[in-house]
Amino acid sequence: DAKTTQPNSMESNEEEPVHLPCNHSTISGTDYIHWYRQLPSQGPEYVIHGLTSNVNNRMASLAIAEDRKSSTLILHRATLRDAAVYYCILRDVGRDDKIIFGKGTRLHILP
Amino acid sequence: ETGVTQTPRHLVMGMTNKKSLKCEQHLGHNAMYWYKQSAKKPLELMFVYNFKEQTENNSVPSRFSPECPNSSHLFLHLHTLQPEDSALYLCASSQTYESSYEQYFGPGTRLTVT
Repeated sequence: DAKTTQPNSMESNEEEPVHLPCNHSTISGTDYIHWYRQLPSQGPEYVIHGLTSNVNNRMASLAIAEDRKSSTLILHRATLRDAAVYYCILRDVGRDDKIIFGKGTRLHILP
Repeated sequence: ETGVTQTPRHLVMGMTNKKSLKCEQHLGHNAMYWYKQSAKKPLELMFVYNFKEQTENNSVPSRFSPECPNSSHLFLHLHTLQPEDSALYLCASSQTYESSYEQYFGPGTRLTVT
């Protein structure tokens, strides 16, 4: 089973910020939080990842709760090209790392 | 363009055929992965190679046989498949298998077993 929980779908208006939540209440101290997205008819695409501190890159920002039991992917200004399935997964540095993707959140962008 | 290419992009094969999927990465990475994505199911990790050594085999049937001749190439050999094996097969690579590194995915091979 996936170690993360995400809403099945979300909607947002074009050119507005989008906050995609992810719950990972059983996260361990060595788990990295990774986000990927999958556009229609394409392979998944890396978005961002972090361990404890908030992270920013050219695609998005990752806000990690202080207790690390949840995180939020922030798209600052959504475009129609951001419509995709967004996956939040945990990766452990240990040898027992199991890469498990859940069903993700399907993001719809309204023009 | 992610730097990970897969061929063929589409494949139709009968249950008695033998075929191979190919993946190549041009990123200088040392870990490569095979995933299966069936309709309406989450992405499933099948195999992992780290520095050409197989480190993960997630209970995949023996009709799927991976091969990693070098760090840049990964194959998935298929034989006597079943219709339920029809899916999108995705290849990915990362710097190493360490969890702090992100994965880069190829576009996938859409496999149909008839």
